Amino acid sequence: GENVEQHPSTLSVQEGDSAVIKCTYSDSASNYFPWYKQELGKRPQLIIDIRSNVGEKKDQRIAVTLNKTAKHFSLHITETQPEDSAVYFCAASVNTGGFKTIFGAGTRLFVKA
Amino acid sequence: GAVVSQHPSRVICKSGTSVKIECRSLDFQATTMFWYRQFPKQSLMLMATSNEGSKATYEQGVEKDKFLINHASLTLSTLTVTSAHPEDSSFYICSAMNSNQPQHFGDGTRLSIL
Repeated sequence: GENVEQHPSTLSVQEGDSAVIKCTYSDSASNYFPWYKQELGKRPQLIIDIRSNVGEKKDQRIAVTLNKTAKHFSLHITETQPEDSAVYFCAASVNTGGFKTIFGAGTRLFVKA
Repeated sequence: GAVVSQHPSRVICKSGTSVKIECRSLDFQATTMFWYRQFPKQSLMLMATSNEGSKATYEQGVEKDKFLINHASLTLSTLTVTSAHPEDSSFYICSAMNSNQPQHFGDGTRLSIL
C-alpha cells in the first residue's frame, strides 16, 4: 500500500522567512496530493492541493511542487507569519477500487515573531 | 466552503460503555466518508472508508466489531465504539467527499474512557 514520508518533523523559522516541507510517496498510482493545516485541537483544513498532471501550483504565499518521476512533492510558504504556526500534513490519494488518502506524519511549524 | 459537522465534540465515559459519534455533511452529498484516529502529536490514521449504502472497508488492524460504522444516507455516517476501554481514548475525526468535493473534515471528537 501507499506510504508517505514527511520531513522535517519540526521546523522553526523567523517571521518573513520561507518554510519548505517535503514529502515522498511510494505508490505510483497516487494522483492527488492535498496539504492540510491543523491547529491544536482543531480540524485539518485543506490549504492547497495538486493533481498528478500538474507540476506546480501557487496560491498567494503558498505553493506546491510535484515531481512524479521521483515521487516527491513539497510545500513552500513564503513571507511566513506567526499565524502560519501549526501542524502541516501532506497526503497522497489514490483511486483504485475506492478512494484512499494516506497522510504523512506531519510537520510542526513555528514562526517566530 | 463545504461544511462537515461532527458530534459530540467531547465524550467522557466509563469503561465498557458504547459511544456513538455522528458525522454529517451539511451542504453536499457525501458518497464517501472516512473515519480517522489521531493520537496526540501524531498523524491521522485511517480507520475505515464508508460508502453510502454499503459496508465499510476497514484498514488492517482495525476491528470491525469494535468500531461499527454505518453510512445510511448521503449526509450521515456514524461510528460506534463498542465496549470502550481506556486504550480507545483518542481523537476521532471524520471526513466527507464526493466526486466534486475534496475531503472536508469534521471538528473531531475527543473520547476519554475512564
